[in-house]
Amino acid sequence: DQQVKQNSPSLSVQEGRISILNCDYTNSMFDYFLWYKKYPAEGPTFLISISSIKDKNEDGRFTVFLNKSAKHLSLHIVPSQPGDSAVYFCAASEWAGGTSYGKLTFGQGTILTVHP
Amino acid sequence: DVKVTQSSRYLVKRTGEKVFLECVQDMDHENMFWYRQDPGLGLRLIYFSYDVKMKEKGDIPEGYSVSREKKERFSLILESASTNQTSMYLCASTARTGAYEQYFGPGTRLTVT
Repeated sequence: DQQVKQNSPSLSVQEGRISILNCDYTNSMFDYFLWYKKYPAEGPTFLISISSIKDKNEDGRFTVFLNKSAKHLSLHIVPSQPGDSAVYFCAASEWAGGTSYGKLTFGQGTILTVHP
Repeated sequence: DVKVTQSSRYLVKRTGEKVFLECVQDMDHENMFWYRQDPGLGLRLIYFSYDVKMKEKGDIPEGYSVSREKKERFSLILESASTNQTSMYLCASTARTGAYEQYFGPGTRLTVT
């Protein structure tokens, strides 16, 4: 039962263009969403997050959009750069206090390749 | 800067061996997690710990156990390694309350032959 899904295994984009990575979830109890970036032979690093009370969060070239009614979020990278080439994971969490202890549920990942 | 370290970057073990993977964090975090990453499956939670000597099963605990004797250290144990446990193993930590962002170690690539 995959509660967080990234249906595109890979995405190829030209340098300078927009990259859009998508993520869908099924658990309506999720209230916080994160994107992680992972280079080969390294651990994932946090990129950007969004709370369920917002529909958009921006940090430089990275913007995350949340559509709660559709249970869908997306990560926009503008403009894309070759150094952005990596695997991107979306993740979701229920409230980090209580008994959830901040557990994250991850999607399968999308390999982004940005061509010069 | 949060630092999460893992004892080995690459490990090769034989089927049936007992395998220990160590993780240490230096930020006094209460919660620690072990994941495995496999192509097409993303990161799947094996076990997590919210305090010393406390542990909870994740989504795929079968064939694994864990130990947390000190706050900064969380060990993953493969009691009898099998070839289907060949994977990338990632450790992460986070503070107890209100914290969502997890900090990851560099990973251990384990090959079981």
